[in-house]
Amino acid sequence: DTEVTQTPKHLVMGMTNKKSLKCEQHMGHRAMYWYKQKAKKPPELMFVYSYEKLSINESVPSRFSPECPNSSLLNLHLHALQPEDSALYLCASSQAGQWRDTQYFGPGTRLTVL
Amino acid sequence: GIQVEQSPPDLILQEGANSTLRCNFSDSVNNLQWFHQNPWGQLINLFYIPSGTKQNGRLSATTVATERYSLLYISSSQTTDSGVYFCAVDQTGANNLFFGTGTRLTVIP
Repeated sequence: DTEVTQTPKHLVMGMTNKKSLKCEQHMGHRAMYWYKQKAKKPPELMFVYSYEKLSINESVPSRFSPECPNSSLLNLHLHALQPEDSALYLCASSQAGQWRDTQYFGPGTRLTVL
Repeated sequence: GIQVEQSPPDLILQEGANSTLRCNFSDSVNNLQWFHQNPWGQLINLFYIPSGTKQNGRLSATTVATERYSLLYISSSQTTDSGVYFCAVDQTGANNLFFGTGTRLTVIP
């Protein structure tokens, strides 16, 4: 099983809402990633979890809060977002937290903030 | 930071045609990967190729690290090859994977 799943596929939320994005993998990978991708732009790294510990936080605003409950799950909690946060949010996993490891990406969650 | 530029930015091909996509990077890198993002947003890793040449079916890639570029060859293109192709590099000491600007490929039947 080389699949990374993400839910929901689409999400529309207001600026005062609280929502969560979920990501799951069952490949035994020990590193998981969140990326943000704006339209017609490349993905930008947000967070990296390695062995369930946050290892990289690319200066992401606190209205984005990651959580790694176990080695298979990665959540991204959203609160008080702005319209400019509308984007495709991609989750990925890899064997370990090395950039040379192949990253497997989920299908993404398309987020619209009204 | 490192600059990763891809060319051409857009490419339209007739089905069956061949193409070459280029990735230039401004500094030495540890590794280079090629990804395909389909029209629905799914990113698939095509090659991990810090140097040399690799082939996988109709696709092949060559990286010349000393000259700071990589090429992705697509032969006998199919409509399912449509999407955006990204190269991505990482560097020693930089905790990030730097994606290129992308090449948007459209294959028409």
